[in-house]
Amino acid sequence: DIQMTQSPSSLSASVGDRVTITCRASQGIRNDLAWYQQKPGKAPKRLIYAASSLQTGVPSRFSGSGSGTEFTLTISSLQPEDFATYYCLQHNSYPRTFGQGTKVEIK
Amino acid sequence: EVQLVESGGGLVQPGRSLRLSCTASGFIFGDYALSWVRQAPGKGLEWVGFIRSKAYGGTTEYAASVKGRFTISRDDSKSIAYLQMNSLKIEDTAVYYCTRYDSWGQGTLVTVSS
Repeated sequence: DIQMTQSPSSLSASVGDRVTITCRASQGIRNDLAWYQQKPGKAPKRLIYAASSLQTGVPSRFSGSGSGTEFTLTISSLQPEDFATYYCLQHNSYPRTFGQGTKVEIK
Repeated sequence: EVQLVESGGGLVQPGRSLRLSCTASGFIFGDYALSWVRQAPGKGLEWVGFIRSKAYGGTTEYAASVKGRFTISRDDSKSIAYLQMNSLKIEDTAVYYCTRYDSWGQGTLVTVSS
């Protein structure tokens, strides 16, 4: 199975900050990676697919990069509505695997 | 608008069975694969399994934690996917989501407890 190691597990940031979250795959997954945002009590929402493609309707302050084993989600200027938990998902092979999640909290 | 609506969750005793449904609308259901993902209380997301579209054989894949106990099926005529859960364990307690990966249902809570 491919392990997805996501870091950090949590972070505190202020509105306007640049935030970076990383996922590392235990083996190469090309660009078969998506990023999700989840708010309490809600279903996940896809932000990024194919590692760097922005989902329709998602603000451009979100961006993704990477290929192979290392991937990054960047929020260029954190907004109040961005405080949530973020997950990566690899869909290169079965079983699909999620990162452990990164909780972004208000500083 | 794509919509996925899960139903069938509830309280069930360990060892018993439960079947979840995912009713889809807003797209040609038969053209898409569907996955089930769960989230235990206060925990992260866990992929449960997946069913391909009929065009790709309608075959399934499962996580090791549920293989042999859970079965995913689909009825394209009704635009419904099912998750049959047998031999339920306490650790299967979670909110269960169906998803196309770009769209998700609201989830249904399954509680396994005596």
